[in-house]
Amino acid sequence: GQQLNQSPQSMFIQEGEDVSMNCTSSSIFNTWLWYKQDPGEGPVLLIALYKAGELTSNGRLTAQFGITRKDSFLNISASIPSDVGIYFCAGPYNNAGNMLTFGGGTRLMVKP
Amino acid sequence: GAGVSQSPSNKVTEKGKDVELRCDPISGHTALYWYRQSLGQGLEFLIYFQGNSAPDKSGLPSDRFSAERTGGSVSTLTIQRTQQEDSAVYLCASSFGRIEQFFGPGTRLTVL
Repeated sequence: GQQLNQSPQSMFIQEGEDVSMNCTSSSIFNTWLWYKQDPGEGPVLLIALYKAGELTSNGRLTAQFGITRKDSFLNISASIPSDVGIYFCAGPYNNAGNMLTFGGGTRLMVKP
Repeated sequence: GAGVSQSPSNKVTEKGKDVELRCDPISGHTALYWYRQSLGQGLEFLIYFQGNSAPDKSGLPSDRFSAERTGGSVSTLTIQRTQQEDSAVYLCASSFGRIEQFFGPGTRLTVL
């Protein structure tokens, strides 16, 4: 199956700062999804991207579908303490069906 | 409406015992997925049910793992002769047959 690499693996940021993280794939994707997982809970869908070059926002979050179709980016503006958690990118598993393959996650920690 | 629910939330078992994990998907969702998340890792696809079609079992790690979905709704994931490496959080998700999936809180399995 595909490999999804997320970076950075973890980051500390100061409250109010903007955050950027990215995800790269070993193969072309036709869909990118970004999820957030809080401790002890399942992942929650933040943003879905369907077209190369697409830029989509959800509140303070903005995600982009890279034009090579092998990468995606997630930005969080003006971070707040509740942004703490693990952010996962995901794409189609073996580019077939609706199953997902996930990156290893970016752990976001905010200094209050 | 109610989200995806899973039970039990925690399960501790002894090596060699069988365990059953249950998932109740969102009402009306036709697709159901099982994933496994090892400590500090991303999610790993296990099995996918879509309507009345034969399940896609391509992610199951061994023949000790099986799952069924009764009446197109509730699903049970069974792990036979559990091993310590089976310790993980098992997450269930459902969808309307699209790639965007909604996750339950997971079952944390610990094999002693």
